[in-house]
Amino acid sequence: TQLLEQSPQFLSIQEGENLTVYCNSSSVFSSLQWYRQEPGEGPVLLVTVVTGGEVKKLKRLTFQFGDARKDSSLHITAAQPGDTGLYLCAGAPAGGTSYGKLTFGQGTILTVHP
Amino acid sequence: NAGVMQNPRHLVRRRGQEARLRCSPMKGHSHVYWYRQLPEEGLKFMVYLQKENIIDESGMPKERFSAEFPKEGPSILRIQQVVRGDSAAYFCASSLHRDASYEQYFGPGTRLTVT
Repeated sequence: TQLLEQSPQFLSIQEGENLTVYCNSSSVFSSLQWYRQEPGEGPVLLVTVVTGGEVKKLKRLTFQFGDARKDSSLHITAAQPGDTGLYLCAGAPAGGTSYGKLTFGQGTILTVHP
Repeated sequence: NAGVMQNPRHLVRRRGQEARLRCSPMKGHSHVYWYRQLPEEGLKFMVYLQKENIIDESGMPKERFSAEFPKEGPSILRIQQVVRGDSAAYFCASSLHRDASYEQYFGPGTRLTVT
């Protein structure tokens, strides 16, 4: 069974601060996705990283996939209240036939105070 | 809006009744996935379907739960004889094709409450 450990579970910061969310596993993933979920809504796909060591930037968000494809991080620069939400990482299994069976982390609840 | 659609958004059932949850994938997507999000828990995979085929149902409880994705119409997740423990948010996702099965786009979910 593949597991994804996300940390921290809760993060409360002031507007303008930087933060990093981590997603770790002992398993190798073929790709890793980051989602953001608002209360009462479904997860919204932010980014997919596929290659070990890959770095992707989305405005103030930087996503990195570990070299061994077992971990990932999400870094937000100069956080804004609009960044508040639940951030989820999800991994797709490497090899085999378990296509489509994403494993999700527990999520990080981010609150950015004005 | 060509996003994933789910209905109903909220569903209340008494213990022992049946719940039917519907999902229409994004336009052009033929792969559908169902996930369950229990209170205080993360999203858990239930089943992966293609048109008229169940590809992977390893996350589906063995009893009372079934899923289908007919040639025409939405995908249906059916829960028979619901119990309080079935109360959760059920999300449907879709992807374009198997090789992009990791890029899943989610619907808004159905919140099931069993009284």
